[in-house]
Amino acid sequence: EAGVTQFPSHSVIEKGQTVTLRCDPISGHDNLYWYRRVMGKEIKFLLHFVKESKQDESGMPNNRFLAERTGGTYSTLKVQPAELEDSGVYFCASSHISGRASREQYFGPGTRLTVT
Amino acid sequence: AQSVTQLGSHVSVSEGALVLLRCNYSSSVPPYLFWYVQYPNQGLQLLLKYTSAATLVKGINGFEAEFKKSETSFHLTKPSAHMSDAAEYFCALNQAGTALIFGKGTTLSVSS
Repeated sequence: EAGVTQFPSHSVIEKGQTVTLRCDPISGHDNLYWYRRVMGKEIKFLLHFVKESKQDESGMPNNRFLAERTGGTYSTLKVQPAELEDSGVYFCASSHISGRASREQYFGPGTRLTVT
Repeated sequence: AQSVTQLGSHVSVSEGALVLLRCNYSSSVPPYLFWYVQYPNQGLQLLLKYTSAATLVKGINGFEAEFKKSETSFHLTKPSAHMSDAAEYFCALNQAGTALIFGKGTTLSVSS
C-alpha cells in the first residue's frame, strides 16, 4: 500500500509569488489533514477534509491560503501571495473515515517551503 | 481546551542508556495519545498509540509508553538507546476524526 505522498519536497519562492502544494492520501482514506510547522514552533493544524468537503478550516491562518480536494482524492494547498512568515514545513496526513481507525493519521514526508 | 506539553526540547543520552521523553496532556475527555518520530529528512512515523485499552503500550523499535491518568502523562521510554534512535519525537492527542494536537517536539541525541 502506497503511503501519503507530497509534492514538491522543497519549494523556494519570493515574497509575493504563488505556490501550490499537493498531497495524495492513502487510497481509501476519506479524512485528509493539512498541518504546518514553522521553525521553532509546534506542528499546527490547518484544515481537515472529509472526502471533498471541508470539515474544519479553523487553523487556516488567513485568506491567502486556499485548499481544495478535487473529487475527494488528492488535495492542493495554494498560498497566494506568499509572505515571509509562511515559510515552514507543510505536512499532509490521511486516515480512515470513522471509528477507532479514524484517529490514526498517516503522514506524508512534508513540503519545505521557503519564502525569501 | 486540549493541550500537550513535552518537557525538554533536547535530550542527550549515551548509547545503551535509558531513554525517557516526557509528555503531559490536558483533555476534558479521554484522549487518544500518540508518539510520532521524525528522522532527518523524513516524514512523521507513528511509534505507538494509546487507545484506552492497555495502559502500557508497546511500539516499534523497542519503544513503549505508559498512560497514567492520575498524572496526565504519557512518557516514552526505551531501555537501551541506539545511535539510530537519534531523531525528533512528538507527542500528540486527538478525539475521533479530529485533528492532532502536538507538543513542541523533543530532539533526542545519542552519543557513542
